[in-house]
Amino acid sequence: DADVTQTPRNRITKTGKRIMLECSQTKGHDRMYWYRQDPGLGLQLIYYSFDVKDINKGEISDGYSVSRQAQAKFSLSLESAIPNQTALYFCATSVSVGGTDTQYFGPGTRLTVL
Amino acid sequence: AQSVTQLDSQVPVFEEAPVELRCNYSSSVSVYLFWYVQYPNQGLQLLLKYLSGSTLVKGINGFEAEFNKSQTSFHLRKPSVHISDTAEYFCAVSEQGAQKLVFGQGTRLTINP
Repeated sequence: DADVTQTPRNRITKTGKRIMLECSQTKGHDRMYWYRQDPGLGLQLIYYSFDVKDINKGEISDGYSVSRQAQAKFSLSLESAIPNQTALYFCATSVSVGGTDTQYFGPGTRLTVL
Repeated sequence: AQSVTQLDSQVPVFEEAPVELRCNYSSSVSVYLFWYVQYPNQGLQLLLKYLSGSTLVKGINGFEAEFNKSQTSFHLRKPSVHISDTAEYFCAVSEQGAQKLVFGQGTRLTINP
């Protein structure tokens, strides 16, 4: 079984709809992240959480919100989706070892906003 | 703040040829450096990382990278590529103590038979 799972894997929605993307992990890591990937731009950090009570904005948090329901679950919401939020979304987890983190990624959710 | 530049957006090579994917970074402090690979329709997988010590780092699938502090580079190399190496490759940097990764734009490696 995969250590980091994302649901759904694909989603098509309409402008103005509320969307939630979910991420679960069995790695026991405290740290979780949400990224979006756009062609030619690499990955951009949306939000990150270092534990259940800690939520931080990343580079591109506008239009997004998150919820850390438990150590193993981190959800990303688009309150009112817009077409330029069409992208590939990745969840990642990490644990700090020796002062640095190695991040482990889920398989991604492809979101299309019409 | 740190930044990463991958100098080539696409690199086509023939099977069994050597390849180098270039990565330069900018930071005012010491950094950790990573290469990730993304196979088609999959998430990112760690290829290798540089934390400290030897500047030549070996990773999975025969890849290696060399950290060059004076040139602020971390180029990825493989002496002989296979069709299965077709993927997108991302360089990433983390400033020591920052606990966040900054990714480059990605390099798409295409292997031709």
